[in-house]
Amino acid sequence: ETGVTQTPRHLVMGMTNKKSLKCEQHLGHNAMYWYKQSAKKPLELMFVYSLEERVENNSVPSRFSPECPNSSHLFLHLHTLQPEDSALYLCASSQEAVFREKLFFGSGTQLSVL
Amino acid sequence: GQQVMQIPQYQHVQEGEDFTTYCNSSTTLSNIQWYKQRPGGHPVFLIQLVKSGEVKKQKRLTFQFGEAKKNSSLHITATQTTDVGTYFCAGGSQGNLIFGKGTKLSVKP
Repeated sequence: ETGVTQTPRHLVMGMTNKKSLKCEQHLGHNAMYWYKQSAKKPLELMFVYSLEERVENNSVPSRFSPECPNSSHLFLHLHTLQPEDSALYLCASSQEAVFREKLFFGSGTQLSVL
Repeated sequence: GQQVMQIPQYQHVQEGEDFTTYCNSSTTLSNIQWYKQRPGGHPVFLIQLVKSGEVKKQKRLTFQFGEAKKNSSLHITATQTTDVGTYFCAGGSQGNLIFGKGTKLSVKP
């Protein structure tokens, strides 16, 4: 069961491609997040949006570009990625960004960069 | 920077045995959250602890928050094959949520 939908589930792209990941939450939450999950590493927070405004950007390379057109939708635009960017990208939402309580995660996009 | 250490990294148990994972923070936490990620799945929220010394139970799962609010544990009694997955703790501090690396539990029937 999930109120957070992510597409695509799998993505293979070359280093020169441009692609976008999409996330939609149906929970009426005010905060949305992008996380990166790599093997043997903790979940890495990439971006935080609160009511469509970016409130946190954790030193993420500019080849990752987030977009939040409204409080229900979140995108991650990808361009000129590197093989080390291959990972599971998870979108999450919560009621508020301030407290970061009870995150609801989407199923993730498994990204492979060739 | 803030860190949340989680041990063990892996745990293999026989079905019916107990399992415990431990989480330690370098700083005092405002809350601790636990998540479970099934193989091939995504993290799912289990519980949040806020008070010093708090203990909460969910069926066979017991969650504890230390008196100093720097450590936590998750204990599963009599594991079942459905308990398989990776268990993550996440410590809340100053508006941030720091995840541990997780403990991967496998259960042999």
